[in-house]
Amino acid sequence: GQNIDQPTEMTATEGAIVQINCTYQTSGFNGLFWYQQHAGEAPTFLSYNVLDGLEEKGRFSSFLSRSKGYSYLLLKELQMKDSASYLCAVKDSNYQLIWGAGTKLIIKP
Amino acid sequence: ETGVTQTPRHLVMGMTNKKSLKCEQHLGHNAMYWYKQSAKKPLELMFVYNFKEQTENNSVPSRFSPECPNSSHLFLHLHTLQPEDSALYLCASSQEEEGSGANVLTFGAGSRLTVL
Repeated sequence: GQNIDQPTEMTATEGAIVQINCTYQTSGFNGLFWYQQHAGEAPTFLSYNVLDGLEEKGRFSSFLSRSKGYSYLLLKELQMKDSASYLCAVKDSNYQLIWGAGTKLIIKP
Repeated sequence: ETGVTQTPRHLVMGMTNKKSLKCEQHLGHNAMYWYKQSAKKPLELMFVYNFKEQTENNSVPSRFSPECPNSSHLFLHLHTLQPEDSALYLCASSQEEEGSGANVLTFGAGSRLTVL
């Protein structure tokens, strides 16, 4: 079966750095997405990786290793507004999106 | 209005009621989706409409009935639901390209459904 694993919950301190991991076992790979979802709000697109390596976008970066079936989302200089759930999703060989259950990130002052 | 708009934001219904969820996208996208989001579970794809044709129905019970009258509007008709159907129902849209599936999804804020 197809599976996406990510931690259920993480806690970090304001101003610090946090890394949210995502591992996947899917039938084929056509890209990996990260979305952010604040409580009671719509998920919003953060990043897309299809080639190995690091994609940087301001305070957020996303890394992909296709050979290891692994990605991480790196958040720097954490702010209270970064408290949210972070969803990892992989596009499989049929171009279907397979979703993880999300990681709830709690930022403490 | 911009983006994807869903109404109502909250809905409480009894098991014998009939209600509908509405979604409207103002992005000119050619594909629309219904997802179910339950606590601590992955998003579950329910229905996909691409170019107004339903292209996906992931074994969703018949008590959920989608309708897509045009490329900007999507409905989810609900009847004789069960308490386990209580969840957040998310609508999304995307610009789908042939042979590559959905690209970035733009989601609505969701309709929180409670079935008593």
